[in-house]
Amino acid sequence: SQTIHQWPATLVQPVGSPLSLECTVEGTSNPNLYWYRQAAGRGLQLLFYSVGIGQISSEVPQNLSASRPQDRQFILSSKKLLLSDSGFYLCAWSVLRDPTDTQYFGPGTRLTVL
Amino acid sequence: AQSVTQLGSHVSVSEGALVLLRCNYSSSVPPYLFWYVQYPNQGLQLLLKYTTGATLVKGINGFEAEFKKSETSFHLTKPSAHMSDAAEYFCAVSDQRGYSTLTFGKGTMLLVSP
Repeated sequence: SQTIHQWPATLVQPVGSPLSLECTVEGTSNPNLYWYRQAAGRGLQLLFYSVGIGQISSEVPQNLSASRPQDRQFILSSKKLLLSDSGFYLCAWSVLRDPTDTQYFGPGTRLTVL
Repeated sequence: AQSVTQLGSHVSVSEGALVLLRCNYSSSVPPYLFWYVQYPNQGLQLLLKYTTGATLVKGINGFEAEFKKSETSFHLTKPSAHMSDAAEYFCAVSDQRGYSTLTFGKGTMLLVSP
């Protein structure tokens, strides 16, 4: 069966520091991968999605970036964190070319920027 | 463009009472529809989905939802609420492109009192 991992589970970082969040999926190949953010009272915001290694699409302009160095690894990064980057970050995957795009979510990372 | 409206950011019920969470959508193509549940500090878990076929869909934990095309609705119900159902529920719609297609509602927090 498929499993999705995210780490770290929680992170407290000062403003201006770098960020690296990692997501890995097991038990499937060539998945679509997604990064979402939940900020208080703002629902789910799609940040990035990837349909293959090195293929990243950004949904919103911001100081975050994403990379997919391996088929089942998705990394969210920032060079300098802002207070507004605080939130709950969720990684998700779906089956490539599944027309329903059913997405399965990881456990999330709680990021607090102070 | 597709959109999802969840009526009521908070819904309160007593244990044993009917749960009804409302979701209306707009989509330019026949939609795929989803309900997810999120417990505190956890990722989203797929409750159920409608793709094609029977319009009454049964999911996990005793939940079900009915797709009503004429009303553009996909309301979530459960006959008898349990304390463990207290969580946030998200409705989502897919436009069948197969990636980055899910549009989420803003969520409804279900509160269950003894």
